[in-house]
Amino acid sequence: DQQVKQNSPSLSVQEGRISILNCDYTNSMFDYFLWYKKYPAEGPTFLISISSIKDKNEDGRFTVFLNKSAKHLSLHIVPSQPGDSAVYFCALGAGNNRKLIWGLGTSLAVNP
Amino acid sequence: NAGVMQNPRHLVRRRGQEARLRCSPMKGHSHVYWYRQLPEEGLKFMVYLQKENIIDESGMPKERFSAEFPKEGPSILRIQQVVRGDSAAYFCASSSITSGGNTIYFGEGSWLTVV
Repeated sequence: DQQVKQNSPSLSVQEGRISILNCDYTNSMFDYFLWYKKYPAEGPTFLISISSIKDKNEDGRFTVFLNKSAKHLSLHIVPSQPGDSAVYFCALGAGNNRKLIWGLGTSLAVNP
Repeated sequence: NAGVMQNPRHLVRRRGQEARLRCSPMKGHSHVYWYRQLPEEGLKFMVYLQKENIIDESGMPKERFSAEFPKEGPSILRIQQVVRGDSAAYFCASSSITSGGNTIYFGEGSWLTVV
């Protein structure tokens, strides 16, 4: 039973447009939400996070939105650039438990 | 380089041999995590350690796998009598007590190939 779901395995977007990556979860105990980016043959790189006391966090081109009632998390990248092409993972944590629960990832392709 | 350091980056072992993967956490970090990514699958948590203590090993296979994080030196993930199914990318991550929330920082990974 997967607690964290990224329902789109892949996404293709034109350069300059907005990329929206989604993540749904089932356990309301999660209170810390992170996005990581991963290039092939490299480790995941931390992008942005949000705690459950907020519904939006912005860092440059990246914005994370949290809808607690819908148990839904999204990452917006605007404008999208070809260098953003990677696999994006959402990872969720609860309280002091440092074991993160990961989605399976969405592969984003930004086309020039 | 202040990042999480993993070595070796690539390791080839024959079936039945032992594999040892090493991880040095970021400076100042006292928490280490090991994750595994099998081909065509997502990241799977294996184990979470602090210095000299295993905090959570709920993701570790029951046999052949062990992990340690000694008082001095890197964390070691040890796989005994490797089988082809152990071929995967093994990622180490670290965090500090003061890391924002549950944010963890990853190394570049160690790719194990069992032939």
